[in-house]
Amino acid sequence: KAGVTQTPRYLIKTRGQQVTLSCSPISGHRSVSWYQQTPGQGLQFLFEYFSETQRNKGNFPGRFSGRQFSNSRSEMNVSTLELGDSALYLCASSEGLGVVPDTQYFGPGTRLTVL
Amino acid sequence: GDSVTQMEGPVTLSEEAFLTINCTYTATGYPSLFWYVQYPGEGLQLLLKATKADDKGSNKGFEATYRKETTSFHLEKGSVQVSDSAVYFCALSAPNTGNQFYFGTGTSLTVIP
Repeated sequence: KAGVTQTPRYLIKTRGQQVTLSCSPISGHRSVSWYQQTPGQGLQFLFEYFSETQRNKGNFPGRFSGRQFSNSRSEMNVSTLELGDSALYLCASSEGLGVVPDTQYFGPGTRLTVL
Repeated sequence: GDSVTQMEGPVTLSEEAFLTINCTYTATGYPSLFWYVQYPGEGLQLLLKATKADDKGSNKGFEATYRKETTSFHLEKGSVQVSDSAVYFCALSAPNTGNQFYFGTGTSLTVIP
């Protein structure tokens, strides 16, 4: 099976702009989670989508939003970019079923730089 | 709340040395525990996992045992190689939390020949 893919791999934006990142999960996986990775804060959970519904959300401002499509592909949007949004954004997919937590499989990430 | 505390790095070892990276956790209920590895410029890869107390996860010579009594999940390898140089993350996910993972801060390992 193909792994998790993320596009684009690199982005450079300026403050105030908005950005959309895309994630295609492993075939058959219905759960997609997004994480922000920075040197100072480490890996922080943004949100999780399952069957087109946001199932869980981390402590990020409303500028960060996401959605999931019927084919399980997911997009993440950040509006009114700030310098502090510069980070590696990681997407992870899993089957998302059952009570026991699934293994999450990560994509290579999108490196966002805000100038 | 749920959290993971991981040994600070960076760690530098000579090839064939013994590796231990400490990880302790705080969680309500009975979480699943994971070790992920991140090579430079790449995303995270699952290294091993354990889903209940006393389980031992193992992969590529790495091992970790889920110790409920000490709330720990230390990563060990008997003989490290240069190719093991990477950043290692301990993580937990609790049942019924919508698949939310909590990660440690990561431990950078450099293995020198």
